[in-house]
Amino acid sequence: KAGVTQTPRYLIKTRGQQVTLSCSPISGHRSVSWYQQTPGQGLQFLFEYFSETQRNKGNFPGRFSGRQFSNSRSEMNVSTLELGDSALYLCASSLEGQPFYGYTFGSGTRLTVV
Amino acid sequence: SQQGEEDPQALSIQEGENATMNCSYKTSINNLQWYRQNSGRGLVHLILIRSNEREKHSGRLRVTLDTSKKSSSLLITASRAADTASYFCATANMDSNYQLIWGAGTKLIIKP
Repeated sequence: KAGVTQTPRYLIKTRGQQVTLSCSPISGHRSVSWYQQTPGQGLQFLFEYFSETQRNKGNFPGRFSGRQFSNSRSEMNVSTLELGDSALYLCASSLEGQPFYGYTFGSGTRLTVV
Repeated sequence: SQQGEEDPQALSIQEGENATMNCSYKTSINNLQWYRQNSGRGLVHLILIRSNEREKHSGRLRVTLDTSKKSSSLLITASRAADTASYFCATANMDSNYQLIWGAGTKLIIKP
């Protein structure tokens, strides 16, 4: 079956702009989590959606938001981009909201803010 | 927040040698998972070991878990160039509301 699909793969944006990233989970997976990865901070949890509801949220400012649709596809949005938002954004899906038993990750979206 | 700490931060060995990476954590866990990340790509789930297990094998991978020391090790035997990647441990526990707690990773380089 198809893996986790993230689009786009690469993005270059200017400070102050906003960006929307998309993630399609593995078919049947209802939980989608988002992570930010930077060399300095490592993997930082952004939020998790399960059945269209945000179930968990990491420690990020309100500029970072997300949503999940009825088909489990998820989007995350970052408004008023800052240089420090440059990172690899990873989406991960899991069965029935059980990352306990492992995630399947997408290839990520590389965001560069200039 | 980061619970796991991998050790070493970086490891460079010759192809064919064994590579051992360690992970320490702070709280009680339900299970511990290891993931691999090739440069700039997503993470791949390698193996999961439950808190009541002490050792688990998958192909050339061997994972051990010592809950009394709150540590785990990942051994890759007969390393290959394709094993060059970063390796992360992640712990799951009932108190973390279904979230995995990640370590900072070990960067493994296999020299031909």
